[in-house]
Amino acid sequence: GNSVTQMEGPVTLSEEAFLTINCTYTATGYPSLFWYVQYPGEGLQLLLKATKADDKGSNKGFEATYRKETTSFHLEKGSVQVSDSAVYFCALLFHSGSRLTFGEGTQLTVNP
Amino acid sequence: ETGVTQTPRHLVMGMTNKKSLKCEQHLGHNAMYWYKQSAKKPLELMFVYSLEERVENNSVPSRFSPECPNSSHLFLHLHTLQPEDSALYLCASSQDQWGSYEQYFGPGTRLTVT
Repeated sequence: GNSVTQMEGPVTLSEEAFLTINCTYTATGYPSLFWYVQYPGEGLQLLLKATKADDKGSNKGFEATYRKETTSFHLEKGSVQVSDSAVYFCALLFHSGSRLTFGEGTQLTVNP
Repeated sequence: ETGVTQTPRHLVMGMTNKKSLKCEQHLGHNAMYWYKQSAKKPLELMFVYSLEERVENNSVPSRFSPECPNSSHLFLHLHTLQPEDSALYLCASSQDQWGSYEQYFGPGTRLTVT
């Protein structure tokens, strides 16, 4: 079946550090890939997405590139801020109507 | 008005109580979802509604009873819950249940069962 594996957290960084959160997936076919973010006390918000191989999703300084050859969709940001502290979820979805499959989430804490 | 709203935001109930969670979406979407988010576990999809018809029930115990009276509203009726049902319950909506449409989430209801 489909599955998403995320880098285990928690991840703690200093402000302005470089961020990478790894995400790999297992699926038959070519799903769309998503990163969602959950700030404390809130629901999930879509951060970025990519719908086909080699697409790069980007938003708020975050980027992720859909790598078919490595079945990965790693999240990166060049310089994190304290306000980026949140839980980040990688997810996949097939066009044919399967359900969103989420990873377990990675807690990020950014210290001043 | 934000896209997906949920009420109440926090709920404490005893095991013998009956309560309901409400979700409303203002996005004109046709599909709505209930998820359960427990500590240290991946999000669990509970129910999917498409055009007010339940299209998926992921082996959820009968003490959780969903209702979708129209495409904008979704309820989760709760009765005789167990302490392990304490969790954050998230509602989401999407344009349609088919296709790669992203889901928009509400802020959730933090439920504590005592």
